[in-house]
Amino acid sequence: EAGVTQFPSHSVIEKGQTVTLRCDPISGHDNLYWYRRVMGKEIKFLLHFVKESKQDESGMPNNRFLAERTGGTYSTLKVQPAELEDSGVYFCASSQDRGNFFEKLFFGSGTQLSVL
Amino acid sequence: DQQVKQNSPSLSVQEGRISILNCDYTNSMFDYFLWYKKYPAEGPTFLISISSIKDKNEDGRFTVFLNKSAKHLSLHIVPSQPGDSAVYFCAASALGYGKLTFGQGTILTVHP
Repeated sequence: EAGVTQFPSHSVIEKGQTVTLRCDPISGHDNLYWYRRVMGKEIKFLLHFVKESKQDESGMPNNRFLAERTGGTYSTLKVQPAELEDSGVYFCASSQDRGNFFEKLFFGSGTQLSVL
Repeated sequence: DQQVKQNSPSLSVQEGRISILNCDYTNSMFDYFLWYKKYPAEGPTFLISISSIKDKNEDGRFTVFLNKSAKHLSLHIVPSQPGDSAVYFCAASALGYGKLTFGQGTILTVHP
């Protein structure tokens, strides 16, 4: 079974440009999450999709970030225009359901974004 | 306002010895706690979890202890192996949902 896949693995762009990150969750997983780790600090929640609906986007930093999940399959995270402080590793995670006790997340390898 | 803290950025232990990683939290609404392990260039992978109704959970060489009154949890790895060298993240959840609050991570190095 394929895991969570993220593209690209690395992206280097200049300030003011646009970048789009993509996440393909594990097939059948309705829950999809975006997280970000900046400068070796803690991993922070950005938003949560259930199928194609945004369930919680309380972690999105500002309106330069736009996430979509059309059709409830893959998701994209667009940053426009990118700023220096957007640099970091963006992780996507997916889960099937709540399970018996807790929701077990499966993470992708992340996209390392560098804004110069 | 960091609600989950791992105060030790790094830990170095000898192979075969015990590794103890610590984590503190402030939010009383957290009722599920998890440890994730991360190798370079990979995403975090789930290691072990504990519910707030328990104070200990074991899985092979890994044991997590929870002290609710102190809002403190720890991960014990016994015996430590070189392959355990990685970054360990403590995470907390309310109601067991996937919106996790992570600590900064602790880099564990196990020397042969």
